[in-house]
Amino acid sequence: DAGVTQSPTHLIKTRGQQVTLRCSPISGHKSVSWYQQVLGQGPQFIFQYYEKEERGRGNFPDRFSARQFPNYSSELNVNALLLGDSALYLCASSLVMPGTAGNTIYFGEGSWLTVV
Amino acid sequence: DQQVKQNSPSLSVQEGRISILNCDYTNSMFDYFLWYKKYPAEGPTFLISISSIKDKNEDGRFTVFLNKSAKHLSLHIVPSQPGDSAVYFCAASGVGGTSYGKLTFGQGTILTVHP
Repeated sequence: DAGVTQSPTHLIKTRGQQVTLRCSPISGHKSVSWYQQVLGQGPQFIFQYYEKEERGRGNFPDRFSARQFPNYSSELNVNALLLGDSALYLCASSLVMPGTAGNTIYFGEGSWLTVV
Repeated sequence: DQQVKQNSPSLSVQEGRISILNCDYTNSMFDYFLWYKKYPAEGPTFLISISSIKDKNEDGRFTVFLNKSAKHLSLHIVPSQPGDSAVYFCAASGVGGTSYGKLTFGQGTILTVHP
């Protein structure tokens, strides 16, 4: 079975531009979440979606948005890119409803975004 | 507000010996804890987890211990192997409140296992 897949793996954008990152969860998983990891830190929670509805949002500005499609894949959009948005963006999926005890979350390889 | 802390940025261990990685948390709403291993340029890989109703969980060479009263957990790797060299992240989640369904990560500990 394929794991969590993300695209693109690497990309370079200019300040002020917009970026869309894509994610396909593990087959059968209905929950998708997004994390940002900057160098030297642990991943920081951005969004969580379950059954196409937003179920959680981290402390990120409104420039960050996401959505989940009927096939449970997801997109993360970041507008008006800043240099500080340069990071590894991780998508994760899980089988059960958010907040369920024992909900193991599996991560993809990530999308490396560099803003210049 | 760092709710999950890994106070040791790095750990160096000889092959065959025990590696002990520590993690502390402050949010009493956390009730499920996970350890992830991460190689450079890859996403985190799930290793082992523990529910707050247990104090120990084993999986092969990996054992996680949870001390709820101290809000402390640790990951033991025995015996350590050079292939275990990676960054290890502790993460926590909880039901309800602001912890609803998301993982809160520590800063990570770089483990180096020397042959």
